[in-house]
Amino acid sequence: SQTIHQWPATLVQPVGSPLSLECTVEGTSNPNLYWYRQAAGRGLQLLFYSVGIGQISSEVPQNLSASRPQDRQFILSSKKLLLSDSGFYLCAWSPLSGGETQYFGPGTRLLVL
Amino acid sequence: AQSVTQLDSQVPVFEEAPVELRCNYSSSVSVYLFWYVQYPNQGLQLLLKYLSGSTLVKGINGFEAEFNKSQTSFHLRKPSVHISDTAEYFCAVSGDKLSFGAGTTVTVRA
Repeated sequence: SQTIHQWPATLVQPVGSPLSLECTVEGTSNPNLYWYRQAAGRGLQLLFYSVGIGQISSEVPQNLSASRPQDRQFILSSKKLLLSDSGFYLCAWSPLSGGETQYFGPGTRLLVL
Repeated sequence: AQSVTQLDSQVPVFEEAPVELRCNYSSSVSVYLFWYVQYPNQGLQLLLKYLSGSTLVKGINGFEAEFNKSQTSFHLRKPSVHISDTAEYFCAVSGDKLSFGAGTTVTVRA
């Protein structure tokens, strides 16, 4: 069966510091991968998605970037964090074909102080 | 493009009572519909989905939802809730991408 991992689970970072969040998927090949942000009391905002290695689409211009160095690895990064980057970051995957259903990881809670 | 509206932001309910969470969507193309549940400090878990076929969809944990194309709705129901059903519930529609509603917080009281 497929599993999705995210780490770290929780992160507290000062403003201006860099960020790297990692997501990996097991048990499937060539998945579509997604990064979402969930601000407190709000719905999910799609940040990035990827249909293959090195292929990244950005949904919202912002302080963050994403990379996919391997088939089942998706990384969310920032060079300098802002206070507004605080939130709950969720990674998700869907099958490459018939990929309507997305499956989510456990999330990373980021607090920028 | 598509959009989702969850009509209730918060739903308090007593244990063993029924609950209905309302979801309406808009889309110019055929869609797939989903309900996810999020427990505190956790990721989203798929409750159920409608892709095609029967408009009444049964999911995990005793939940079910009915797709109504004429009313563009996909309401979620459970006949008898438990304390453990306290969570946030998200309706989502997949057209050119997956779009989520703002969520409904369900609080089950004893």
